[in-house]
Amino acid sequence: GALVYQYPRRTICKSGTSMRMECQAVGFQATSVAWYRQSPQKTFELIALSTVNSAIKYEQNFTQEKFPISHPNLSFSSMTVLNAYLEDRGLYLCGARESSDYTFGSGTRLLVI
Amino acid sequence: GDSVTQKEGLVTLTEGLPVMLNCTYQTIYSNAFLFWYVHYLNESPRLLLKSSTDNKRTEHQGFHATLHKSSSSFHLQKSSAQLSDSALYYCAPERSNYQLIWGSGTKLIIKP
Repeated sequence: GALVYQYPRRTICKSGTSMRMECQAVGFQATSVAWYRQSPQKTFELIALSTVNSAIKYEQNFTQEKFPISHPNLSFSSMTVLNAYLEDRGLYLCGARESSDYTFGSGTRLLVI
Repeated sequence: GDSVTQKEGLVTLTEGLPVMLNCTYQTIYSNAFLFWYVHYLNESPRLLLKSSTDNKRTEHQGFHATLHKSSSSFHLQKSSAQLSDSALYYCAPERSNYQLIWGSGTKLIIKP
């Protein structure tokens, strides 16, 4: 079956530093990868959608300069949170799809101290 | 713009009682899919149901939902709640370009 492994599961970083999270698709080709953030007490908010052979599309309030994404092949994607501050804390979720439904990772919980 | 409303943030029920979690949406494109995801703590959100067909009941794992375009609703139901149904449930319509719009989620707690 289709699986998405996301790591790390949780991480703590000091304010002003950066952290990278990764997603690995197994059992299918991740043609598109969507990255979401769930801030405390909020729902999942789309950061960006990456489709192989197309430009990565960032949502309003999210930029490539802050959340650079790499999607080099059909099984892997990574996102970095640059210069993380308190407001960046939350659960980051990646979802990958080949043709129809998304398969989600289990999320990376980021704590900023 | 496109949006989704799950009016109940928390639903607490006794085991065996029926479940109904509300979902209404605003302004999505005409043939869009609507999804229900279930999210257990420390696990991946998992697809529970989906539909894009008006007035057609869709079922999976004891849950069912019917998309009603006339009322812009896609409520999730189950006839008899089980303890293992305790989880977060998200209604998520599809925007164009395969983007999901996540609802605020409903936490369902089933008590013995």
